[in-house]
Amino acid sequence: DTAVSQTPKYLVTQMGNDKSIKCEQNLGHDTMYWYKQDSKKFLKIMFSYNNKELIINETVPNRFSPKSPDKAHLNLHINSLELGDSAVYFCASSPRGVNTEAFFGQGTRLTVV
Amino acid sequence: AQSVTQPDIHITVSEGASLELRCNYSYGATPYLFWYVQSPGQGLQLLLKYFSGDTLVQGIKGFEAEFKRSQSSFNLRKPSVHWSDAAEYFCAVGLFYGGSQGNLIFGKGTKLSVKP
Repeated sequence: DTAVSQTPKYLVTQMGNDKSIKCEQNLGHDTMYWYKQDSKKFLKIMFSYNNKELIINETVPNRFSPKSPDKAHLNLHINSLELGDSAVYFCASSPRGVNTEAFFGQGTRLTVV
Repeated sequence: AQSVTQPDIHITVSEGASLELRCNYSYGATPYLFWYVQSPGQGLQLLLKYFSGDTLVQGIKGFEAEFKRSQSSFNLRKPSVHWSDAAEYFCAVGLFYGGSQGNLIFGKGTKLSVKP
C-alpha cells in the first residue's frame, strides 16, 4: 500500500513521441505536484494542484500538460518528446498546501533517445 | 529572489564521525524548513521539518537540525554517521504567498559519502 505511486518507473522512448506518467496517492492529501530532477540532481517544481485546481505552473514548455481527474490522481502528459526532456520526474503530495512537507513517489526515469 | 543554498556539493565522513550539512535560505520572512534524503534510485524521504517553536528539531534516523534566524540557516546534524547514511541530502523551504499560493523550493543537494 504505497503512499504515492507512479507508473512507469522507467520509460525509454524516441524523440517526437508522446508519453504519459501516472501518479496516485492514497494519503488523502489535497495538494499534488510534479517535480523534475535533472542529471545534476537539481529538483524543480513543474506543476502543483490543490484539490484539482492548478496552483503552480512554472515555466515549462506547453508540451507538458498535467491532468488531475480527481484529487488522488495527477498525471503528466508530454507531447513531442525531446532529448532535453530526459530526467527523473517525481510526483509528490502534501497534506496542508504547497509550502508544507511533500511526500514523494519513487520517480519515473525518462530517457529520450 | 527566494533561494536555498547548500554550500557543500560533496562531503565525505568516516563512519562513526559526526556530521553537519549546511543550508542557508534567502527569504523575507521565516519559511517552513525541511530536510530530505534521497538514496540512489529512490524518491525523497522527509527527515525533519521546522514550522515554528523550538529551534532544535529532531527527525528520523537520529538526525536533528537547528534553525538560526539570525543566520538564515537550518543545518542538519547527526552525532555518529552510519554507512547507510550515504545518500543525497536536500534542504527545502516552504514559501507562503497568500491564499492557496505558495511554493516548495529545494537546494541543489549535498552528496554524503561514508568511509568505513
